[in-house]
Amino acid sequence: NAGVTQTPKFQVLKTGQSMTLQCAQDMNHNSMYWYRQDPGMGLRLIYYSASEGTTDKGEVPNGYNVSRLNKREFSLRLESAAPSQTSVYFCASSEGSIALYYEQYFGPGTRLTVT
Amino acid sequence: AQSVAQPEDQVNVAEGNPLTVKCTYSVSGNPYLFWYVQYPNRGLQFLLKYITGDNLVKGSYGFEAEFNKSQTSFHLKKPSALVSDSALYFCAVRARLSGGSYIPTFGRGTSLIVHP
Repeated sequence: NAGVTQTPKFQVLKTGQSMTLQCAQDMNHNSMYWYRQDPGMGLRLIYYSASEGTTDKGEVPNGYNVSRLNKREFSLRLESAAPSQTSVYFCASSEGSIALYYEQYFGPGTRLTVT
Repeated sequence: AQSVAQPEDQVNVAEGNPLTVKCTYSVSGNPYLFWYVQYPNRGLQFLLKYITGDNLVKGSYGFEAEFNKSQTSFHLKKPSALVSDSALYFCAVRARLSGGSYIPTFGRGTSLIVHP
């Protein structure tokens, strides 16, 4: 039982390049999330998916797109990377459909640097 | 709108002493409150949550938190700190937003440093 896995662990991009961050969970959770973590800013929600086939914007969606490929997988795409997107990205999942009381399970993170 | 405040960027405590990490929140309606811990270069791990009922919630690794509705607080506590408790701690709140979503909001985090 691996929980939430993310690939890659590290990535360096040049401005304007694109890439996709992959996330998968093996807990049969309905809800999945993408966050970015910046120093002094805590975690900010980029996009979330309440269930397979649905996605919604979070607090900071600009410059990102997501795909809920199936119940297990939720990918985050940067179409044209910018230095402001340098951050640590976390994927998370939880039971239920964005229900109130379910805690989230987090992946190990992807450290992205855009030069 | 909902928000979470962690008023201290850093908390220092000596090993064996009690520790408190503060969290206050602002929501419309009933809050669902969570604490997570993040060790260096790792993802967040769930510690405990308050949903309803007893205001004192017990969680992993000997941590507990007290829900205080009148003060809108949910402070994390531990009777006796360990050096291994040194980490970044996040408070989070979920409440029903307009449109029916329950997006969680996280505080900025508090760095706990336990000195030997």
